[in-house]
This record gives sequence, structure tokens and C-alpha cells, in this order.
Amino acid sequence: EIVLTQSPATLSLSPGERATLSCRASQSVSSGYLAWYQQIPGQAPRLLIYGTSSRATDIPDRFSGSGSGTDFTLTITRLEPEDFAVYYCHQYGTSPRTFGQGTKVEIK
Amino acid sequence: EVQLVQSGAEVKKPGESLKISCQGYGFSFTGTWIGWVRQMPGKGLEWMGIIYPTDSDTKYNPSFRGQVIISADRSINAAYLQWSSLKASDTAMYYCARGVGDPLRPHLDNWGQGTLVTVSS
Repeated sequence: EIVLTQSPATLSLSPGERATLSCRASQSVSSGYLAWYQQIPGQAPRLLIYGTSSRATDIPDRFSGSGSGTDFTLTITRLEPEDFAVYYCHQYGTSPRTFGQGTKVEIK
Repeated sequence: EVQLVQSGAEVKKPGESLKISCQGYGFSFTGTWIGWVRQMPGKGLEWMGIIYPTDSDTKYNPSFRGQVIISADRSINAAYLQWSSLKASDTAMYYCARGVGDPLRPHLDNWGQGTLVTVSS
């Protein structure tokens, strides 16, 4: 199965700063079938990005995704208070589909 | 509005059976997939499997094959996750989610609120 490794495990930043989250795959992700989810404690995950770089419905444009092959990035250009959460990458191009272990973005 | 509404929290004993549900509103199960994801306490997300209610085609994560059964009834827009004999290690939050996009490789967009399953003697 494809193992997704996210880094860093925790990112400590202030509101207004830029966040860059990394997701590295153990093998190439088929056709860029890579998604990003945000999970706030006590809530269900929310889809942010699919197909590497397509924003989901109602997702603000401060969220963007990029990458190819085995290296993918989620960028949040200016952190808002509601963006402090855990973020997961997810590959759905190869079975079994897999998730990364998550990156926690916390307030510095 | 697209919504997935899951059944309520369950407390069970080891060895008991359980079937939890996921009811879809605002869209048809015909032509979409429904996936299930496990989240153990304080841990990350694990993909369990996905079903295409139109023809009941089901794909399991090998880690969960034989441990759970995923089913659906597209006539009532419902999907199910069931266990025949629960273990303490099945204690977790279980989410259902709608799969859309590429029909062979759908991504999960809308998620249910989760069903907390607690297995304890």
C-alpha cells in the first residue's frame, strides 16, 4: 500500500502567517489523486482540496494544493483563527486508499 | 443540501454484533459511492472500504476485510457498516462519506457526523 508521510507533525504559527504542509508518498500517486482534509477537534473531516489542486466547494482561496508524483503540499497563505486544526492528506488513486498521519497546526 | 446523517453512539460488549447506518439526504445514492473511515481515540484516519450502491460493488482495505461488512440499500439512500463479533479494539469513531468525481477513483467530499462505537466488558 502507499504510505503517506506528513511533515511536520506539528506547526506552531501565529494568525496571519503562512503555513506550508508537506505530504510525501512511498510511491507515485496515480494521476494526482491526492486530497487534503481539515479536522477540527470533535468534528468530522472537511474536504479542502482534491485532485492535488482543486478546491472543494466553499473553500476559501487562501487554501491551495500543489505537487505531483510523490511530493505534495498544502499551503494556507494567511492563517485565520478557524484554520488551527489537524490536516490530513489522502491518496485515492490506488487501493487500498490511505491517509497520512496528520499535521497539527497550532497557535504559537 | 447534501447531508449524511449517521446513527447514534453505541456501547456494546465484546462478542456482540452491531450494524450502524448512514442516511443520505439531498442527493441520490445511485451513481455515487459511500465510503467508511475509522478514527480510533486520539489517532488518525483509516480508510476501511467503499461501496457503490448502484450495483453493490464493494472494495475493502485488506486490513478490514473479513472484520466488517459494508452494505447499502439505494432504494432508501442508506449505507451500513456491521460487525458480527465486536472486540475492544473496535472502539472508535466511524465516519461515512460520499464518494464523487472519477467513477473509478472517487474522492470523499461530504462526511457524516460520525458514530462513536464503544466496546467494553
